[in-house]
Amino acid sequence: LAKTTQPISMDSYEGQEVNITCSHNNIATNDYITWYQQFPSQGPRFIIQGYKTKVTNEVASLFIPADRKSSTLSLPRVSLSDTAVYYCLVGDINNDMRFGAGTRLTVKP
Amino acid sequence: DSGVTQTPKHLITATGQRVTLRCSPRSGDLSVYWYQQSLDQGLQFLIQYYNGEERAKGNILERFSAQQFPDLHSELNLSSLELGDSALYFCASSFLTGTAGNTIYFGEGSWLTVV
Repeated sequence: LAKTTQPISMDSYEGQEVNITCSHNNIATNDYITWYQQFPSQGPRFIIQGYKTKVTNEVASLFIPADRKSSTLSLPRVSLSDTAVYYCLVGDINNDMRFGAGTRLTVKP
Repeated sequence: DSGVTQTPKHLITATGQRVTLRCSPRSGDLSVYWYQQSLDQGLQFLIQYYNGEERAKGNILERFSAQQFPDLHSELNLSSLELGDSALYFCASSFLTGTAGNTIYFGEGSWLTVV
């Protein structure tokens, strides 16, 4: 599993766009990039996954540059309910899915 | 609802005791993962099974053991419990497709309190 680096915490305000960047310099050719969201006392929830370029779904976008050494999770117009810990995982089906410390996002009114 | 079912949801037990946590993966998922999360701590990967076989082992104590049965449900056994074992234990499952990245789905967790 490729080592990832994320900011420990971020603050934002309601209605703003939030971008959380994850660095993964040693990403392998077969690795995918997956983001999870965890609320207190709940299991992490899959948000989005991508391999290259840009992926968008109903809740977020994932931007991956050509070198794939980093990725950015973009949350449009956050609300208080987006306050959570966000994890970036990089790997393929042969990895054992170890989570890092994640980014604690706090959305303020 | 992720489709992953964990029981019990809450458990209180005394030090030195043994407990078993149960997990039913999503229908069709072959791989099961166990994680431990203490209060305000990160997710600690414990162990992974795939189709009944141990696939990866993380920071799992020798007092803990797990298995995955032929019907693919899994059990995590915690013995000689200590106060520090109090935590939320998550089970997750995935299908492990051959071409896409691995996506795992978590259950709601089992709260273990050791007193």
